[in-house]
Amino acid sequence: GAGVSQSPRYKVAKRGQDVALRCDPISGHVSLFWYQQALGQGPEFLTYFQNEAQLDKSGLPSDRFFAERPEGSVSTLKIQRTQQEDSAVYLCASSPREGGYEQYFGPGTRLTVT
Amino acid sequence: LAKTTQPISMDSYEGQEVNITCSHNNIATNDYITWYQQFPSQGPRFIIQGYKTKVTNEVASLFIPADRKSSTLSLPRVSLSDTAVYYCLVGDAGAGGFKTIFGAGTRLFVKA
Repeated sequence: GAGVSQSPRYKVAKRGQDVALRCDPISGHVSLFWYQQALGQGPEFLTYFQNEAQLDKSGLPSDRFFAERPEGSVSTLKIQRTQQEDSAVYLCASSPREGGYEQYFGPGTRLTVT
Repeated sequence: LAKTTQPISMDSYEGQEVNITCSHNNIATNDYITWYQQFPSQGPRFIIQGYKTKVTNEVASLFIPADRKSSTLSLPRVSLSDTAVYYCLVGDAGAGGFKTIFGAGTRLFVKA
């Protein structure tokens, strides 16, 4: 079956631009996670959704980062006024259970801010 | 959330069994232990999860001693394609959402 998909796979933005990254989770999955992964590091938690409710956004690094999942399926991570330090791979994962460590990851979106 | 400690890197040869140990001294009663594998340019992939004793699937085995302060991921007869980063995670998969901590992982390099 279809896994988690993310688009675009690669994004180059000039500093100060706004970007929107999309995640299509596995159909029917309750939980959705966003992570940021810098080169050579493990994924760092950004935010968690249970259906359409954003229950944990403690990992968002600043108020320039905003995530939504309005209908409990597709999610968008938006970064406003991008900075060079935002350059990273942004990973989305979904899980069939509430919370849940058995997460299914997408391929990620590599964001480069120039 | 329980902090985990893993070796930074390990080397092995094709056909050998590889054991990666993770320390989690502060594991809580409700915490599960989960391992992920990540190849370059891909998202992590769930390998195995356990609570106590031993869990085995088609990919790996997970050994958890009685005190649960550590766990060992065992990969039987590794091949070159097992070269990847392996992450140990510990946490309570409870309702209400939670923060997942990956850490730096263990880089396994399998040589021919």
